Amino acid sequence: EDQVTQSPEALRLQEGESSSLNCSYTVSGLRGLFWYRQDPGKGPEFLFTLYSAGEEKEKERLKATLTKKESFLHITAPKPEDSATYLCAVGGFQKLVFGTGTRLLVSP
Amino acid sequence: SQTIHQWPATLVQPVGSPLSLECTVEGTSNPNLYWYRQAAGRGLQLLFYSVGIGQISSEVPQNLSASRPQDRQFILSSKKLLLSDSGFYLCAWSVATPGTGELFFGEGSRLTVL
Repeated sequence: EDQVTQSPEALRLQEGESSSLNCSYTVSGLRGLFWYRQDPGKGPEFLFTLYSAGEEKEKERLKATLTKKESFLHITAPKPEDSATYLCAVGGFQKLVFGTGTRLLVSP
Repeated sequence: SQTIHQWPATLVQPVGSPLSLECTVEGTSNPNLYWYRQAAGRGLQLLFYSVGIGQISSEVPQNLSASRPQDRQFILSSKKLLLSDSGFYLCAWSVATPGTGELFFGEGSRLTVL
């Protein structure tokens, strides 16, 4: 059974203070690893898909990386508008298994 | 571009009452459709998915059901709600299999059962 564990559960940063979120996974065969951003009371917003170890994707201040056992979401010089819950999921082709997310709060 | 609409956004229902949540997708054909539930402090739980009209797969035994009467319409129902049905319900779509696996979510429906 595919499993996803995200850490930390919550993270508080000062504006400009870079950090990383972790997503570790166990799967029978990785078909894809997905990152989402979720604002309070809203549906998750798709950010990235990673398919193979060593792959990296970037979008503005976010960069996602993938190894055989985990993925990192690096946040460089975050701004208050980056505050959200970041979800990681594995799977694809009909089913995704989600982690419980990391709640990120960036203070000005 | 593709859009997904989900309604109602908020719903407060008494225990034992029926439920109907609706979801429609625009701008794509033959999508895979999904219903997820998100409980506080827990990950998204897949409830149902559909690869075509009338084709429903259930992931979790419960008093909920799903139907897909049209290609881009997905409905979540219950005949009698339980307190444990409270939660945030999310409809999502993806490109038909094989596709690339990404899910695209609606804005969600907050259900409170009293």
